[in-house]
Amino acid sequence: GAGVSQSPSNKVTEKGKDVELRCDPISGHTALYWYRQSLGQGLEFLIYFQGNSAPDKSGLPSDRFSAERTGGSVSTLTIQRTQQEDSAVYLCASSPGQWSYGYTFGSGTRLTVV
Amino acid sequence: KQEVTQIPAALSVPEGENLVLNCSFTDSAIYNLQWFRQDPGKGLTSLLLIQSSQREQTSGRLNASLDKSSGRSTLYIAASQPGDSATYLCADFNYGGSQGNLIFGKGTKLSVKP
Repeated sequence: GAGVSQSPSNKVTEKGKDVELRCDPISGHTALYWYRQSLGQGLEFLIYFQGNSAPDKSGLPSDRFSAERTGGSVSTLTIQRTQQEDSAVYLCASSPGQWSYGYTFGSGTRLTVV
Repeated sequence: KQEVTQIPAALSVPEGENLVLNCSFTDSAIYNLQWFRQDPGKGLTSLLLIQSSQREQTSGRLNASLDKSSGRSTLYIAASQPGDSATYLCADFNYGGSQGNLIFGKGTKLSVKP
């Protein structure tokens, strides 16, 4: 696609439910990043993929968080048993290659846990 | 540990002023540096990307410079307008190995008053 697409754009869920957030990167982009941004805060790194593998999962805040990427394209971030502190905007970015031409961000998914 | 620092955290100027936003980084093994703009509730929009072999990049009223030896980058905005009000973030890519090699500053929140 022309840009990085994230869905849904907004998600309200009840505490304890599982949610899936989707990121569709620019076609051909091999590197994909997930970030979390709480209200008024900076970007918090979660995980990055090179192709389908995730060399760095160090930012995932707990074992309730997981992510996968299939076919070197779409990535899904799953949060199990959501908590109120998970409420944030989740941003995805992609790049043609880990070392190269800059990064393009999606518009994000705003997650609200009630 | 790689760090990216942005000063000031917030800046308010009257319309028409020229201004400079600062970004400093700790690792001289930088590969490139990218400046982004973030509007409230939105994703990040790329403004300028400077490769390590370059000294500056220009786009319209924006000029970004890079000085690897001093570990600094600046974003110069000429003739500021109320529409420039946003948070500006810098990010450096290097081979340090953490967070997918991409480190973000916490941003400078700019307010341009009419």
